[in-house]
Amino acid sequence: GQQLNQSPQSMFIQEGEDVSMNCTSSSIFNTWLWYKQDPGEGPVLLIALYKAGELTSNGRLTAQFGITRKDSFLNISASIPSDVGIYFCAGQIGGAQKLVFGQGTRLTINP
Amino acid sequence: DAGITQSPRYKITETGRQVTLMCHQTWSHSYMFWYRQDLGHGLRLIYYSAAADITDKGEVPDGYVVSRSKTENFPLTLESATRSQTSVYFCATRTGPETQYFGPGTRLLVL
Repeated sequence: GQQLNQSPQSMFIQEGEDVSMNCTSSSIFNTWLWYKQDPGEGPVLLIALYKAGELTSNGRLTAQFGITRKDSFLNISASIPSDVGIYFCAGQIGGAQKLVFGQGTRLTINP
Repeated sequence: DAGITQSPRYKITETGRQVTLMCHQTWSHSYMFWYRQDLGHGLRLIYYSAAADITDKGEVPDGYVVSRSKTENFPLTLESATRSQTSVYFCATRTGPETQYFGPGTRLLVL
């Protein structure tokens, strides 16, 4: 099946640092989504991207839909303790209603 | 409260037993999805449904059965549970263009 390669798998940073993570694929996607999952809960949508080259912000979060439509990145500026969790990228191909998810990036913040 | 409820939230069962995980949405969204989440694999689609009485296989459907007699309910049944089905299971609905809203999850342990 389709696969998304998400990196890094884990990050250990200091509070206040900026964070960057990305997803790549060998397939072209029509939509890129970024989700965050807190412990014991389901993933929550952070940002949705619908056009190649699109750059979208949500507070301290910024995500971009790669020009080639095969990649996307998520940046978090000035990290705070509540940013801790697992971040997932997800992509949609063609007219399919199904999403393909990356393996996740686990973010840990040292206060 | 509006949203998705999953029950039970935690379940321990034995190999060979039948288990049914329930998913209920308070909206009337057409699409519903079942995922499993395992370390190193992110979220993988088991089955999805486009509407009542319409279901289709996802990436990892073997060993699972679904039904959708009512729009708001989408139960997932493990006909004969195996240890490899120990996982966290998430139900989701499509809430917008290519975006999905997730339930809180069911943690299943098969002994």
